[in-house]
Parts: sequence; C-alpha cells; structure tokens
Amino acid sequence: TQLLEQSPQFLSIQEGENLTVYCNSSSVFSSLQWYRQEPGEGPVLLVTVVTGGEVKKLKRLTFQFGDARKDSSLHITAAQTGDTGLYLCADYSGNTGKLIFGQGTTLQVKP
Amino acid sequence: DTAVSQTPKYLVTQMGNDKSIKCEQNLGHDTMYWYKQDSKKFLKIMFSYNNKELIINETVPNRFSPKSPDKAHLNLHINSLELGDSAVYFCASSQGLADPRGTQYFGPGTRLTVL
Repeated sequence: TQLLEQSPQFLSIQEGENLTVYCNSSSVFSSLQWYRQEPGEGPVLLVTVVTGGEVKKLKRLTFQFGDARKDSSLHITAAQTGDTGLYLCADYSGNTGKLIFGQGTTLQVKP
Repeated sequence: DTAVSQTPKYLVTQMGNDKSIKCEQNLGHDTMYWYKQDSKKFLKIMFSYNNKELIINETVPNRFSPKSPDKAHLNLHINSLELGDSAVYFCASSQGLADPRGTQYFGPGTRLTVL
C-alpha cells in the first residue's frame, strides 16, 4: 500500500515569509496532485504534475516534482494570510480514478 | 451556481441510528466519489461510481452503502452508526477516465457527529 508522508505537519509563519512543504511517497507516483483545503470547505486542486523533474508555477506557488517521481515540494514566496489552509498532496491513478492522500500540512500565515 | 453540493452540512445523531447524506453535481461529470476525513484531517477514498456503476469500493464496513439514482447524484446511507463514524464526509466528481489529469471537484463536506 502506497504511503504519502508530508512535512512539516504544521507551519506557522508571518506574512511575507517564504516556505516550503514536502511530500514523499513510498512508491513512484502515477501522477501527483496538490490540493489546498480551507476551513469548512472541500479541497481544491492546485496543480497536477506527471513528468519527473517537472516544475510548475501558479503565481507565488512553485511546485516541483522529483526526478525519480517519488517526491515533490511546494514553495510559497511572500506568503499572504489568504494562503492559510491545509495543503494536501495526492497520488492520482488514471487507471482507476483513485486518489491517495498524504496527511497534509497545516499552514497558518499570521498578519 | 454550486458545482458539487451536499446536504446536510452538519449531522448530529445518536449511536445506532441510520442516516443518509445526499450529493448532487451540476457539472455533467460521469464519475462521483465519497471520501472520509478523520479528526486528524486524513482524507481517504471510500467509493466511486462511474455512470451509476460502482468502480471503487475500499475496505469500508458494509454499514455504508452508496446509491446512485442517476449520474448527477450519489448518496451515502449509513446504518447502525458508531462513534468511530464521526468525521467529515466529502463528495466529489470528475470527468473520470476521460480526463487524464483527473481533476476532482469536491463538495463542502458534511460533518457527522455520532453521540
């Protein structure tokens, strides 16, 4: 059974700081997705990465997929209070449509 | 214009009761899912349906029974509720295998509390 480990579990920073969160898998990802979940809401897809070494940018967010396709990082530049939430990585299997999630990183950005 | 909606938002009930959660999507998607998020925020797939056919059925107690009356609806019925069923349940939908990126759209969740 694939296990996804995210670190850190909790992160509390001041507005304007940079941060990186990590996602490591016990086996090669089929494809990797990152989600953000705000309190009281469902997760929202941020990005899907498929190719090893792939880097994607979404405004101040930079997603990197490891060359071996077993790890990923999410870097946020100049964090804002609106970035507060639970960040989840997930392995998406195109054959079954199944998502396996990591346990998440809770980010709090203080003003 | 809610894409994926769930009712109710909150559900508080006694152990042993039977309850249902309803989910509807207006995105025209073929595939719908149920997930459970526990108190530690761990999110796990329970079921998925594609065109009203059960595709994924994880190791979930058979007290949980999904029902899909049509492509736009996937309801979750839970019999003989137990304390450990307390969680947030999310419904989601996607284009399924037609979308290689596998984008899933989640509902707002139903917080179930079993007393």
